[in-house]
Amino acid sequence: DTEVTQTPKHLVMGMTNKKSLKCEQHMGHRAMYWYKQKAKKPPELMFVYSYEKLSINESVPSRFSPECPNSSLLNLHLHALQPEDSALYLCASSQGTDTDTQYFGPGTRLTVL
Amino acid sequence: AQSVSQHNHHVILSEAASLELGCNYSYGGTVNLFWYVQYPGQHLQLLLKYFSGDPLVKGIKGFEAEFIKSKFSFNLRKPSVQWSDTAEYFCAVKFGSSWGKLQFGAGTQVVVTP
Repeated sequence: DTEVTQTPKHLVMGMTNKKSLKCEQHMGHRAMYWYKQKAKKPPELMFVYSYEKLSINESVPSRFSPECPNSSLLNLHLHALQPEDSALYLCASSQGTDTDTQYFGPGTRLTVL
Repeated sequence: AQSVSQHNHHVILSEAASLELGCNYSYGGTVNLFWYVQYPGQHLQLLLKYFSGDPLVKGIKGFEAEFIKSKFSFNLRKPSVQWSDTAEYFCAVKFGSSWGKLQFGAGTQVVVTP
């Protein structure tokens, strides 16, 4: 089973709202990732967690705040977003080794009004 | 600087035609290579991957790719496409020293006409 699940599927929020995206995997993977994908563009890495610790932050604005409560869960907390933050947010997971493979969830389609 | 490039942004072809999508990277060290596909409205799915060994890799749905180290290339092929192969195809590379960082090419939109 290579399933990564994400909720919600769609999210519409105002610029003053606080919301969270959730990601879950039950493959025993030790690394989890957040990507941002704009229309007709490739995914762009935002954050990487390894063994529940943040290991990579690709200079993402602080209005995006990741959290890894345990090895199966990954959250992305959103606050004071801008309309240009509207995108598909993808979660992925992998074994966390040098020669591993990332498996992607279906994404959350975020619209910021 | 490390980079990944895909030669074609849009490809239109008829069913039963052969498909080849180009992918090149710039890096002199060890790489892990991947092709992902994104069908309309669906999530990224792994088509195939190369870590080491036989440079000709077979994946799902009849796809294959060949790693040519001297050309820094990892081209994707399918001998006979179907309408259901209409999708966006992304080449992705993990450069040797960059644990966790998967760098994607710009993607190729493939449209297969009946």
